[in-house]
Amino acid sequence: QKEVEQDPGPLSVPEGAIVSLNCTYSNSAFQYFMWYRQYSRKGPELLMYTYSSGNKEDGRFTAQVDKSSKYISLFIRDSQPSDSATYLCAMSRINDYKLSFGAGTTVTVRA
Amino acid sequence: EPEVTQTPSHQVTQMGQEVILRCVPISNHLYFYWYRQILGQKVEFLVSFYNNEISEKSEIFDDQFSVERPDGSNFTLKIRSTKLEDSAMYFCASRAGGRTDTQYFGPGTRLTVL
Repeated sequence: QKEVEQDPGPLSVPEGAIVSLNCTYSNSAFQYFMWYRQYSRKGPELLMYTYSSGNKEDGRFTAQVDKSSKYISLFIRDSQPSDSATYLCAMSRINDYKLSFGAGTTVTVRA
Repeated sequence: EPEVTQTPSHQVTQMGQEVILRCVPISNHLYFYWYRQILGQKVEFLVSFYNNEISEKSEIFDDQFSVERPDGSNFTLKIRSTKLEDSAMYFCASRAGGRTDTQYFGPGTRLTVL
């Protein structure tokens, strides 16, 4: 079983739709959870960071963590064409900050 | 806003040659990382560096790889004798320190080994 699983998509949605992305993980030692956005041939850009189970909201973005199910999600409301990118989940253990990444989900928002 | 910078953006080299990839982390950050991403694959951890020494390295980071912080601002990754399979995007990241802060990535260096 892979340490971090993420459906690579691709995912295509019309402008204004809600984008739903998720990752599962197998290692219960993961305690920090991040979502990064990556445009083609660019570096990952941090979008959201969460530590505890529950929801965290930042503008149009909501991150959810369910540690009991080892499942994390990212929702993008009112999606825009500029949201078209690859979204990477990443996670790390306490006192060990090396990141384990998912494969990334490629999202296209159609105007 | 402070950012991580990397040079060069693209490096082409012949197999067996040495390459040095350079990074300037965010100025008050204490922890530094290198990751790589082979085309179409996951971002993979290579090495972490703190207080002028390697904290952790992956099995990818073999004797052909080394890292250095030669002065107060640069952080370098050296590959001594490049192989075709070293072709990838290499990302530098830095972190300020503390329990809950996060890593900020540079734009990457695309390494092509011919």
